[in-house]
Amino acid sequence: GENVEQHPSTLSVQEGDSAVIKCTYSDSASNYFPWYKQELGKGPQLIIDIRSNVGEKKDQRIAVTLNKTAKHFSLHITETQPEDSAVYFCAALSYNTDKLIFGTGTRLQVFP
Amino acid sequence: DGGITQSPKYLFRKEGQNVTLSCEQNLNHDAMYWYRQDPGQGLRLIYYSQIVNDFQKGDIAEGYSVSREKKESFPLTVTSAQKNPTAFYLCASSRREKVADTQYFGPGTRLTVL
Repeated sequence: GENVEQHPSTLSVQEGDSAVIKCTYSDSASNYFPWYKQELGKGPQLIIDIRSNVGEKKDQRIAVTLNKTAKHFSLHITETQPEDSAVYFCAALSYNTDKLIFGTGTRLQVFP
Repeated sequence: DGGITQSPKYLFRKEGQNVTLSCEQNLNHDAMYWYRQDPGQGLRLIYYSQIVNDFQKGDIAEGYSVSREKKESFPLTVTSAQKNPTAFYLCASSRREKVADTQYFGPGTRLTVL
């Protein structure tokens, strides 16, 4: 079936450094790729999304890049802060099933 | 968490009992979803509904049931047939599912079977 692979599963960075999380999807017809941030005990919050007609999107310290040929998309967080510590999920909308397929999550820890 | 509420936040159930989780949204969204989240795994889709009085099974529907009698409400019942019900349950909604519209999540309900 359709799947999304996400790496790494855990990521530790020093405050001020950059963090990159990568995802690979299997359905070549996928056209929508959201990223969610989940804090402990809470529901996921959308932080940025990208559609297949663009290769990059930026929102302040957060950016997402999409390589449709390679079926890769990545989340980039610059100038990380302790409050960025959370679990981050990528997802891809499967054209075949019309459902969001989620990655397994990346636990990001930002140390002061 | 937007305009999506889930209750209760924590729920304890004895084995053999059915339990219903509440999900309400005031975003006027057509589509609603239920996901299950287990440690180390992504979100898995249980059921979804694109319109009132209609719903479809997701990837792990066995042992669960839903109803969609009102646009703003999509309750999930975890039945005694669900073999491993202890998990974090998340409800989400979007304007329409067919178009790639953003899904917004509620705060979740943590269900523990004693």
